[in-house]
Amino acid sequence: AQKITQTQPGMFVQEKEAVTLDCTYDTSDPSYGLFWYKQPSSGEMIFLIYQGSYDQQNATEGRYSLNFQKARKSANLVISASQLGDSAMYFCAMREGQGGSYIPTFGRGTSLIVHP
Amino acid sequence: DVKVTQSSRYLVKRTGEKVFLECVQDMDHENMFWYRQDPGLGLRLIYFSYDVKMKEKGDIPEGYSVSREKKERFSLILESASTNQTSMYLCASSPYRGGDYEQYFGPGTRLTVT
Repeated sequence: AQKITQTQPGMFVQEKEAVTLDCTYDTSDPSYGLFWYKQPSSGEMIFLIYQGSYDQQNATEGRYSLNFQKARKSANLVISASQLGDSAMYFCAMREGQGGSYIPTFGRGTSLIVHP
Repeated sequence: DVKVTQSSRYLVKRTGEKVFLECVQDMDHENMFWYRQDPGLGLRLIYFSYDVKMKEKGDIPEGYSVSREKKERFSLILESASTNQTSMYLCASSPYRGGDYEQYFGPGTRLTVT
């Protein structure tokens, strides 16, 4: 079974609108971390945002926020005020605690296209 | 600024050739990783290393080996390249085992085996 599921292979959004990219995860470990990365067409993966399983508040980094719903095991990325430069692949990743050797597992990614 | 560099952006090799992919990081990170990325499959871990001369298999180690003789350098070796190893290869590094640190990625090497 996949530990990280990204159900949207592709998403489209109008410039300046908000968009939510879905990520659900599967773990029985009480300690875990969730990451989102962006991969532009140039190929280099760029870290965006992190949420720890014990964090009480949703993480935010500029226009990026993570909608963390622990009971539902979801960690959706919200991008506000989309820009053309946000067009890229987006990957969700999870690091599990003692049982998972601290090695992140990645989802299959969501391709986001921002229209002008 | 953390920098992870990979020896080539594009590489074309023939079936049966021995292929070396080099990765260097300049931030004294303990952890280094090799992934392959294929459309629709995301990133799959090939090997990782927590320290010099230390290596651990990831999810898809078959057909690959690695070498880490110096802390800053992690090499991926395809002993006898095959066409099913045509892929994008990404190297990454991160500090310290046991903590929540993001990974820093190199620009990737797109390998084609003909």
